[in-house]
Amino acid sequence: AQKVTQAQTEISVVEKEDVTLDCVYETRDTTYYLFWYKQPPSGELVFLIRRNSFDEQNEISGRYSWNFQKSTSSFNFTITASQVVDSAVYFCALSGSIQGAQKLVFGQGTRLTINP
Amino acid sequence: DAGVIQSPRHEVTEMGQEVTLRCKPISGHDYLFWYRQTMMRGLELLIYFNNNVPIDDSGMPEDRFSAKMPNASFSTLKIQPSEPRDSAVYFCASSLAGGRANEQFFGPGTRLTVL
Repeated sequence: AQKVTQAQTEISVVEKEDVTLDCVYETRDTTYYLFWYKQPPSGELVFLIRRNSFDEQNEISGRYSWNFQKSTSSFNFTITASQVVDSAVYFCALSGSIQGAQKLVFGQGTRLTINP
Repeated sequence: DAGVIQSPRHEVTEMGQEVTLRCKPISGHDYLFWYRQTMMRGLELLIYFNNNVPIDDSGMPEDRFSAKMPNASFSTLKIQPSEPRDSAVYFCASSLAGGRANEQFFGPGTRLTVL
């Protein structure tokens, strides 16, 4: 079975602080995909990144960066110099490669609040 | 290009009534997904279609729930009869095959309240 765990239910930081959201996954597939989605207060789900299991290179996009470590089954997300607009619920998700390759299994989400 | 369209955005109904949620996927996408989001259970996949054919409905909670996709541009999720525990936000998403697992584009969701 596939499982995604986001142990941090809520995080609150002051603007301009760096913040890391943790994601740990479980899967028996050798090929799989990991995702991060953002859900702002307006409610929609916004895709942020997809990473396949063969690509362990870290990725940076502006103030966002992602650290993928297969050895610890983790795919953590860091926001540098956080801003109030980053306040949202962030979901980590996993999909396998064999049966149901298109199915996404979501973590419970981390509610991030950036205070001015 | 328009994203995934869902209607209605909000629905309030009374227990026992039939509820129909609608979704129009992004044109050209061949996968369509229905999710439910609640505080207790988070985001759950209910059912998904590939080329209008249901592939996996193992997440559908019970027989009161049914989903159809009569053509590539339209899908419905029906609850009959509705119960208060069905209150949730229902999301539709679509994606394009061409790889193993592609980005899913989500609609804005339908917030359902069953009184």
